[in-house]
Amino acid sequence: DSGVTQTPKHLITATGQRVTLRCSPRSGDLSVYWYQQSLDQGLQFLIQYYNGEERAKGNILERFSAQQFPDLHSELNLSSLELGDSALYFCASSIRQGPGELFFGEGSRLTVL
Amino acid sequence: DQQVKQNSPSLSVQEGRISILNCDYTNSMFDYFLWYKKYPAEGPTFLISISSIKDKNEDGRFTVFLNKSAKHLSLHIVPSQPGDSAVYFCAASIRSNYGQNFVFGPGTRLSVLP
Repeated sequence: DSGVTQTPKHLITATGQRVTLRCSPRSGDLSVYWYQQSLDQGLQFLIQYYNGEERAKGNILERFSAQQFPDLHSELNLSSLELGDSALYFCASSIRQGPGELFFGEGSRLTVL
Repeated sequence: DQQVKQNSPSLSVQEGRISILNCDYTNSMFDYFLWYKKYPAEGPTFLISISSIKDKNEDGRFTVFLNKSAKHLSLHIVPSQPGDSAVYFCAASIRSNYGQNFVFGPGTRLSVLP
């Protein structure tokens, strides 16, 4: 158990809909990262937050947004969903905003029909 | 354009032998590298890291080698055990005290045969 909690574990929805994925980082970790893993693909970095502020941005679509709240949990919002958004979405946390190992949650599997 | 490549999608090794997983990168600015292991239905788990000031880092059965001139790193697992069967991801980053963007490779599926 990494200490990172992601909900929901599974989500099935239709194209055009909007979903919110939630992540609670390890106790004491200030950085939260979101990654997307599509079928047979590597992990694609989406975005990083540190103590409530955006710190680094990857290939995140404009239809996606994220935020980190004062209690340090984070939410990833996916809107106008398309079939290609079906993927595993991982949240990871670390204590620092700079280099250091990431601790990953178990992921949220999103299926868009 | 893949900045981090793991050209072997899969690898099979006999129990007790050495497993060597390879990773190549294209961005010479990368200076911090990690290996992660992933079992099905679980999130990736950190294994070992190396910064560009070193060429080797060891932790138990796991050793990572970095060849900066070749932009190549490898993970050696000795001896390999059936429990090591998993997907292994290589990740690279540019060290920054502001934020970091780890770029992951596509992974190599290791099967350790009893």
